[in-house]
Amino acid sequence: GNSVTQMEGPVTLSEEAFLTINCTYTATGYPSLFWYVQYPGEGLQLLLKATKADDKGSNKGFEATYRKETTSFHLEKGSVQVSDSAVYFCALMNMNSNYQLIWGAGTKLIIKP
Amino acid sequence: NAGVTQTPKFQVLKTGQSMTLQCAQDMNHNSMYWYRQDPGMGLRLIYYSASEGTTDKGEVPNGYNVSRLNKREFSLRLESAAPSQTSVYFCASSEGVRGGAFFGQGTRLTVV
Repeated sequence: GNSVTQMEGPVTLSEEAFLTINCTYTATGYPSLFWYVQYPGEGLQLLLKATKADDKGSNKGFEATYRKETTSFHLEKGSVQVSDSAVYFCALMNMNSNYQLIWGAGTKLIIKP
Repeated sequence: NAGVTQTPKFQVLKTGQSMTLQCAQDMNHNSMYWYRQDPGMGLRLIYYSASEGTTDKGEVPNGYNVSRLNKREFSLRLESAAPSQTSVYFCASSEGVRGGAFFGQGTRLTVV
């Protein structure tokens, strides 16, 4: 079946630190992979996506590369800001998941000034 | 660009009352979804509609019903609200595997 595993939080970093949030997946076929962000009290926003192996998604300084050989889609940012504090969700969508998003549990990121 | 619009944004119900959460999208997406999110937790799928005219149960459908009124609208009904249904409810729509899903701002429901 399809599943997504992401690192447990909270992750606490200082401003300007390098960020990595790990995400690995299990899926048959060729899923699309997504990162969503949820700021406090708000809905989920699509942060970035990749639809095939070796694609790199990027947005707002965040990047993630679709690695089929390691079934991973780790989220990275070179220099985090306090405003990046949020919960980050990794997800996949596959034709054989009946177009449902399969979610990771979410990782809470706390950036201290 | 409205995207996905949910109403109401906040609601307080008494145990046993009924209500309908409304959701509409203007992106011409085929698939629509209802999720609930409890404090400190991820998303759980209640119902989804892969296309107009079809609906299917998700992970936690008990106590809920849905209607896909047309391609734009997908409503969620609580027939007899219970305190365990206190949650934040999100509606989403999707253009397919390559596009992912887009979310509304949520409905914060409290059942007392």
